Amino acid sequence: QQPVQSPQAVILREGEDAVINCSSSKALYSVHWYRQKHGEAPVFLMILLKGGEQKGHEKISASFNEKKQQSSLYLTASQLSYSGTYFCGTDMAVGEPSGDMRFGAGTRLTVKP
Amino acid sequence: DGGITQSPKYLFRKEGQNVTLSCEQNLNHDAMYWYRQDPGQGLRLIYYSQIVNDFQKGDIAEGYSVSREKKESFPLTVTSAQKNPTAFYLCASSIWTSTDTQYFGPGTRLTVL
Repeated sequence: QQPVQSPQAVILREGEDAVINCSSSKALYSVHWYRQKHGEAPVFLMILLKGGEQKGHEKISASFNEKKQQSSLYLTASQLSYSGTYFCGTDMAVGEPSGDMRFGAGTRLTVKP
Repeated sequence: DGGITQSPKYLFRKEGQNVTLSCEQNLNHDAMYWYRQDPGQGLRLIYYSQIVNDFQKGDIAEGYSVSREKKESFPLTVTSAQKNPTAFYLCASSIWTSTDTQYFGPGTRLTVL
């Protein structure tokens, strides 16, 4: 089952903050976050791994609550370039990590001047 | 430059014809993935492969086939059995598993007339 993202859409003014949430029905090894601009390929933002390790973008932060099977992406002091659709992805494997990824439906973020 | 290439960018086919989408990577990644994206929707995994000559079905494999004869290449065939093939198809690669960043190609937009 795909992870569930909320909210579905957010509209911000430049400089405002936003939080995007991702929750799963199963235990997570990792949570991926990507941003996609219209008609383009998704671009990597961050991976959060079980155990607390993070790999990612300097200007974006995220949290990963393994017990609650949830992750949140924090966008602070938003810029116009932050506009796009944000996806979280999780591994569906039972046991060891695999390549069986599921992505949420996305959160559309619009930043206005 | 290292990266993932997909060709062609736009593809038109008549209903009932099989069509093969190309995906090549020179990142020396072991894992490769195919995703389908419909307008306003998230990414859905079609197939993934973690080693040459081996691949696994994803969430929506019916009507699709893949091969992995070389580490660099992971072509996707959309068969006539796929009931609604018009979509944006994205190929990705990663070092190994879901704990690694996925790098996406530019995508192929397939339209079946």
